Amino acid sequence: QSALTQPASVSGSPGQSITISCSGTSSDVGAYNYVSWYQRHPGKAPKLMIYDVGNRPSGVSNRFSGSKSGNTASLIISGLQAEDEADYYCSSYSSRSRWVFGGGTKLTVL
Amino acid sequence: EVQLVESGGVVVQPGGSLRLSCAASGFTFDDYAMHWVRQAPGKGLEWVSLITWDGTSTYYADSVKGRFTISRDNNKNSLFLQMSSLRAEDTALYYCAKTYGSSWYYFDYWGPGTLVAVSS
Repeated sequence: QSALTQPASVSGSPGQSITISCSGTSSDVGAYNYVSWYQRHPGKAPKLMIYDVGNRPSGVSNRFSGSKSGNTASLIISGLQAEDEADYYCSSYSSRSRWVFGGGTKLTVL
Repeated sequence: EVQLVESGGVVVQPGGSLRLSCAASGFTFDDYAMHWVRQAPGKGLEWVSLITWDGTSTYYADSVKGRFTISRDNNKNSLFLQMSSLRAEDTALYYCAKTYGSSWYYFDYWGPGTLVAVSS
């Protein structure tokens, strides 16, 4: 069982927007703004998509955004494209110099 | 181009030991802290360990503390994970990951992983 809770799967049609939630606790997501999101295509290494809750690294599409409310963070993908189909993982810094991940969410573009 | 390549993963018996290596290239290795992250079959990602750029500070997940030791050789651009007292639950794909910028909190480049299987 992963420390952060994500839905196992979400789906959407091209052009639509989807949200992936990431639920933690007051010791991780709720305590720090060090939340990040990773995209992983099958057989590939994870790619950093969002850091500091809602910032995008250079080169990441502005269709990807992030937010946080209380102990729950969210990844929003707008204007869904076929290439967005992948697994998405959230991560947060936690107390006592630890890092925690979610179990991953499989995004299907219909 | 940043490249991270893990090696050393094999099948090992419970209670055994193993040393994983990660060869880094394409960036100034000793400018960055480095992490190990693992993924067990059918499970999510699990953070394992962090080492600072100079190797003076290390951090571990509770599940591996006292059994795993992270280290690095900046002269050889290499990261290591010494694993001992291995258990079935340590079976996983082990990734080394570079930290993002000056922050320890994020992982911007990952290797393809090396598979460790603990089985009798």
